[in-house]
Amino acid sequence: NAGVMQNPRHLVRRRGQEARLRCSPVKGHSHVYWYRQLPEEGLKFMVYLQKENIIDESGMPKERFSAEFPKEGPSILRIQQVVRGDSAAYFCASSPLSLVVDTEAFFGQGTRLTVV
Amino acid sequence: KNEVEQSPQNLTAQEGEFITINCSYSVGISALHWLQQHPGGGIVSLFMLSSGKKKHGRLIATINIQEKHSSLHITASHPRDSAVYICAVGDVRNTDKLIFGTGTRLQVFP
Repeated sequence: NAGVMQNPRHLVRRRGQEARLRCSPVKGHSHVYWYRQLPEEGLKFMVYLQKENIIDESGMPKERFSAEFPKEGPSILRIQQVVRGDSAAYFCASSPLSLVVDTEAFFGQGTRLTVV
Repeated sequence: KNEVEQSPQNLTAQEGEFITINCSYSVGISALHWLQQHPGGGIVSLFMLSSGKKKHGRLIATINIQEKHSSLHITASHPRDSAVYICAVGDVRNTDKLIFGTGTRLQVFP
């Protein structure tokens, strides 16, 4: 029973390119969360999705960032026209139930994005 | 002031020592999570608790809801325990958001 799978583990993009980060949740989990960890900072919430729905995107920058969790396939975090400040580790977590009902979240290995 | 504060920020210990990492929070919570992050690696959930105490092997986590404080203890520490330990709370004001502390970097020397 595989855990949360994120790919790629490392991604290098030039300024202005698009970055696409993938997250396959634990099998059977329908709740997915994306977090960003800037260098030397703590993790920050970005977006919470259930299958095909964005529940809360209050932590995601309004421009250039988007997320989806289609009925089939992994959740995708897309960053358009990347800038150096987007360089960070992006973590995905999944849970079987909403975190509000005190369920454990399972985290992936993260994708380390470097913008050059 | 951060809503979740951890102390100490950095901690070094000799193998075998008893370790305590503290977490204080200022918001109402649904649950508190202790996470472990190895250098360059992913994040592993160690504990989720909303009251009392939990124990897994050499790790013990306690929470005092009235004082808004939690501690993570490591007994008989080992170099493989070297990692960043992160406290995160589920915020009842805004469901499903975890608020993270900045982590405690632990190094255990043989």
